[in-house]
Amino acid sequence: QSALTQPASVSGSPGQSITISCTGTTSDVGGYNLVSWYQQHPGKAPKLIIYEVNKRPSGVSNDFSGSKSGNTASLTISGLQAEDEADYYCSSYAGDNIFTVFGSGTTVTVL
Amino acid sequence: QLQLQESGPGLVEPSQTLSLTCPVFGAPITNTRHYWAWVRQPPGKGLEWIGTIYYNGDASYSPSLRGRVSMSIDTSNKWISLRLTSVTAADTAVYFCTRQSLQYYFDSWGQGTLVTVSS
Repeated sequence: QSALTQPASVSGSPGQSITISCTGTTSDVGGYNLVSWYQQHPGKAPKLIIYEVNKRPSGVSNDFSGSKSGNTASLTISGLQAEDEADYYCSSYAGDNIFTVFGSGTTVTVL
Repeated sequence: QLQLQESGPGLVEPSQTLSLTCPVFGAPITNTRHYWAWVRQPPGKGLEWIGTIYYNGDASYSPSLRGRVSMSIDTSNKWISLRLTSVTAADTAVYFCTRQSLQYYFDSWGQGTLVTVSS
């Protein structure tokens, strides 16, 4: 199955807001409100930060927010901090056959 | 608190079978509100979903691995397992054991284990 499309890298200065896009098709992102986002620091396991497009798990900063329009989901990080420097992956349900597909990943750099 | 811990050989020879287990601590493995899944990550690359299994043994696998992959669940001993046959260097990756919600997001992850395919 094809990975969802994310920009390879996004950067911003401390305190700024950045947005990461995740583009799929009507068979995955566009077809279901079942997009999730993960943060991964080097050498660590991914951590869930957004689920069902725009919901935050307990303990996740409200600086992280999610949205979706058509076949593209977005993750916004407001008030960028040094510890937000990491890789970010989106994921979506893609139907009973494929089940789950991940995005290609985006490296966030804090300047 | 849920804890997942992948275990298995760190080195597998090409054409052989990769086998990993993942004991589940701190939460019921028979929880009907969750699936259990495996995800892998080749060195320096992105995440790839391998497969998902429900407590009753029903499983779904990645189309790209279908035919080589199988998963099982042992509710008595509280572990899940992964088997991947006929491995090649392309199967070299960190393998993660995860819990997946019925809404398909992965809410708990093991620390991951690196499996290298090499002779």
